[in-house]
Amino acid sequence: ETVMTQSPATLSVSPGERATLSCRASQIVSTNLAWYQQKPGQAPRLLIYGASTRATGIPARFSGSGSGTEFTLTISSLQSEDFAVYYCQQYNNWPPITFGQGTRLEIK
Amino acid sequence: QLQLQESGPGLVKPSETLSLTCTVSGGSISRSSYYWDWIRQPPGKGLEWIGTIYNSGSTYYNPSLKSRVTIFVDTSKKQFSLKLSSVTATDTAVYYCARRSVTDGFEIWGQGTMVTVSS
Repeated sequence: ETVMTQSPATLSVSPGERATLSCRASQIVSTNLAWYQQKPGQAPRLLIYGASTRATGIPARFSGSGSGTEFTLTISSLQSEDFAVYYCQQYNNWPPITFGQGTRLEIK
Repeated sequence: QLQLQESGPGLVKPSETLSLTCTVSGGSISRSSYYWDWIRQPPGKGLEWIGTIYNSGSTYYNPSLKSRVTIFVDTSKKQFSLKLSSVTATDTAVYYCARRSVTDGFEIWGQGTMVTVSS
């Protein structure tokens, strides 16, 4: 099983600033990596797939990078609606598909 | 626009079988380029993939749940379903159905349904 490890567990950032979230895979996943945003009481929403491609309707302030085992999600200028929990997920080595444990992005 | 909706009992007794159905609207369930998945999330915790069905019947399951899980599809009703047997309190979670493409991750999610395992 490919274990996905996200860091940090919680990130405190002020609105308008940049947020950088990390995700590490225990095995190579190529660029078969997705990022999701989840707000309380809601289903996750796909932000990024293929490590760096924004999903339909996702603002340009969200960007993804990385390949192999190291990945980053960057939010360039945080808006109030961006404070949420973010998950990475690999779909290269499955079953099982695996998710990271999540990073909580909170207002500083 | 394709939408997914989970349905099923919100309370299941320990040792019994959890049964949920996901109904697809606004699109086809028969296209071979998509996978139809179940994912769950215990209260306050992260996401766990349960399994998938594709090509109108082929399945893959999470090895950690494989002995207890069955996923099947009824294309005439545009539904796919989950059965999880011998449930315990650790199976208490919000259960989501989702559509996944080969390259794009989980593009479409249902709203989720909370299932509590308790006597």
